[in-house]
Formats: sequence, C-alpha cells, structure tokens
Amino acid sequence: QKEVEQDPGPLSVPEGAIVSLNCTYSNSAFQYFMWYRQYSRKGPELLMYTYSSGNKEDGRFTAQVDKSSKYISLFIRDSQPSDSATYLCAMSLSGGTSYGKLTFGQGTILTVHP
Amino acid sequence: SQTIHQWPATLVQPVGSPLSLECTVEGTSNPNLYWYRQAAGRGLQLLFYSVGIGQISSEVPQNLSASRPQDRQFILSSKKLLLSDSGFYLCAWTPWTGGDTEAFFGQGTRLTVV
Repeated sequence: QKEVEQDPGPLSVPEGAIVSLNCTYSNSAFQYFMWYRQYSRKGPELLMYTYSSGNKEDGRFTAQVDKSSKYISLFIRDSQPSDSATYLCAMSLSGGTSYGKLTFGQGTILTVHP
Repeated sequence: SQTIHQWPATLVQPVGSPLSLECTVEGTSNPNLYWYRQAAGRGLQLLFYSVGIGQISSEVPQNLSASRPQDRQFILSSKKLLLSDSGFYLCAWTPWTGGDTEAFFGQGTRLTVV
C-alpha cells in the first residue's frame, strides 16, 4: 500500500465547475499537508499549505484536512481553463529538513474545457 | 529574492553513459537541498537531501549519487546510466531556519536514457 493515494484521473470538467480533488494517506505522523500544481514539463508550484485538521481558503481554492480520517481535499471554485494542470498532494512530518522531505500522491490530471 | 536554477532542461543519454545534473540556489544561505525524481505516471519520489556542504542523505537505494560541493550547489550524478533512470528530476530547497515553510522547486531536467 502506498503511503499517499491519489486518483490519477484524468478529470475533465467544463469551465465554471467546482472541482474536488482528494488524497488519502496511511501515516498518522504526517503534520503538514500541501497541494501543488504542476503544468506540463514544469516544476511544481505550491497552491495551498495547511497544518493539522481544518479548512483553509485562498481565493478560488479551499483545502480541507481531516486527520481523523487521514483524508485531504482541494476544492477549486469557478474553474478556469488556466487551471488545467496536474495537481499533486504532498505531506510531511514536522521539523527541520522534514519540511522538504515530502511524500507525494501520484497526481491528478485536470482539464477544464471552455 | 530567492531563485533556484537547474540545468540542463532536457537531456538524452545512452545507457552506460555518465550523468551530471546541477542545481544552484540564489539569494539565500545554508539552504536544505533536495533531489526528487518523477517517473512517468507517478508522483515525485525523494532521492537525496542535504543540510550542508558535504552532507548527503539517501532516501532510496539506486544507481545515482549526490554531492554538495558548495553551500548553494547540489549535483546529481551517475557513473553508468540505466534505462530505469529515465524521468523528470527536480531540485528543491527549504530555508535552514525551519519553521512552517514550503519547499521551492526548480523547473526540472527531463532525462531520457536510450
């Protein structure tokens, strides 16, 4: 069993739709949870960064963490064609170099069509 | 501001040939540095990390090695490439001070071993 499971999709939605992306994990020691967006042939860029359970909102993006269920989600409201990318969930332990020692999901390929 | 550079962007190498990928970070001192690999259809996997000059930790056994000859320089090497070494290699850094922080990724090197 992988430490982090993420449905690779692909996911295709019309412009303006609400997109829901999810990951489950098995290591209860994970403390930090992140969502990265990766355009084709580019490095990942951080979208959302959360610590512990709860919700965090930034513009059209909302990240949710449920540590009791070992489940994290990313919601994208009013999706745009420019949101078309691969979305990677990632998580880490706390402290020192752990912030960069990330365990990633496989990534979900999202296409938003006009 | 801090920036991270990786080169080359694309590389095609024959099986059995040597490899050297370079990553440099500008605008910060004593960063923690990381090498990740992204194989086709898979998430990113941490290969090596470094907390200082000459200090390298390996996360997975493999045909590759890493070195950190200078504070802001991180090199990924191989003496003899295998077909299975093909992938997208990403360098990342985090500040040495720790605390809540994201990992910043370079734009990656796409390596194809033929």
